[in-house]
Order: sequence, then C-alpha cells, then structure tokens
Amino acid sequence: AQKVTQAQTEISVVEKEDVTLDCVYETRDTTYYLFWYKQPPSGELVFLIRRNSFDEQNEISGRYSWNFQKSTSSFNFTITASQVVDSAVYFCALSEVTLSGGYQKVTFGTGTKLQVIP
Amino acid sequence: DSGVTQTPKHLITATGQRVTLRCSPRSGDLSVYWYQQSLDQGLQFLIQYYNGEERAKGNILERFSAQQFPDLHSELNLSSLELGDSALYFCASSAEGLADYNEQFFGPGTRLTVL
Repeated sequence: AQKVTQAQTEISVVEKEDVTLDCVYETRDTTYYLFWYKQPPSGELVFLIRRNSFDEQNEISGRYSWNFQKSTSSFNFTITASQVVDSAVYFCALSEVTLSGGYQKVTFGTGTKLQVIP
Repeated sequence: DSGVTQTPKHLITATGQRVTLRCSPRSGDLSVYWYQQSLDQGLQFLIQYYNGEERAKGNILERFSAQQFPDLHSELNLSSLELGDSALYFCASSAEGLADYNEQFFGPGTRLTVL
C-alpha cells in the first residue's frame, strides 16, 4: 500500500532561515509521481512541483529546491532564506501512473505547517 | 487568480440531500481533477477527467459522481449526503497531454457543510 509520511507536523523558523520539510514515501510501484503542494492561510491550494520516479535530478526554483532520493524513498523540500509569505501548510503526495498517463491512488501526507516568524 | 472557477463558494445542506459542485477549468486546459479536504480524512484525490473522459479514479465514494462536459467544465455530484461529507472540495485543471503535463491550477474551493 502507498504511504506518505510527513513527520514534521509544525515547524517554526525565523525569517531568512533555511528550512527543510521532510517527505518519506512507500510504494511498490516502479513508476510513480511525487508532488508538493502549498496551502497558505487563505486556504487555496498551490501546486509546487511534480517529479517522476525516473528523474532523480534535484530541482531548484528560486528559493525552493527539492531533493529526491530513491534510495531512501524521500522527496524533501527546502526553502532558502524563508519569508513570512512562506507560512503555509505544505503537502507531499505520491501517485502511481496509469498507462494513459493518468493518476491513480494519489496519496497525500498529512501536511507540515510552516510558520515563518518575522 | 488561477483562472479556475468553482461555484458555489459555500454550500449548506442537510443530510440525505444531493448537491452539485461546478468547476470551470482554465481556458484551454483539458484535464480536470477533483479533491476533497476534510479534517478527518485530510486531502484526498477523488477523480480526474481528460477531455470528457474519466482518466483516473481515487477515493471517490459510490454516492459521488462526476462528469466533464464538451465545453470542458466539470460537475461533481454528491448524493445521500452524510455529516462526514462536510469538506472543502477543490477542482484543479492542467493542460495535460498523454505523455506529460503542465502544472495543476487550483480553484478556490467549495466549502460544503452538511447539517
């Protein structure tokens, strides 16, 4: 069965600190997708990234970076020089991939609430 | 503004009733996704449609159904509502092709309260 664990329930950092949000997953599939989403206090969901299981290259987008390590089944998310606007709940998710390219059995983690203190 | 619209924003109804949630994707996006977020279950993927056809199914109950119309808008129908169906329902769209896809854009959500 698929499982996504975000062990950090809440994290508080002071502005400009770097912070890493952990995501550990379990799956028997060899092909799968991993995602990160952001949910700010206003409640909307924001898609951040999708990574497929064949691409272990780390990704950087501005202050955001993602470290995908298949060997440890982890897909961690780092925010560099955090800002107050980064305060949100962050969700990691895992899905298998159907032959048509669709998604099934999408499993979300329980989320990590990040508070950035000015 | 993501370009994805959802109506209504809030919905209050009673147990046993049926409701329809509507989603209009971004212009040109062929894929529509539905998600449910509740305190008990957390975030759950319900279903995905691509160009009018169901592509993937998640934890969608039999009491729930969805469809995507020729104009690409989608509706999520929830029937025989129970208290536990109270949740925030998100719709998302993406310009998804068969081989790969672009990022998902989320609507503001419909908050359903079942009394």
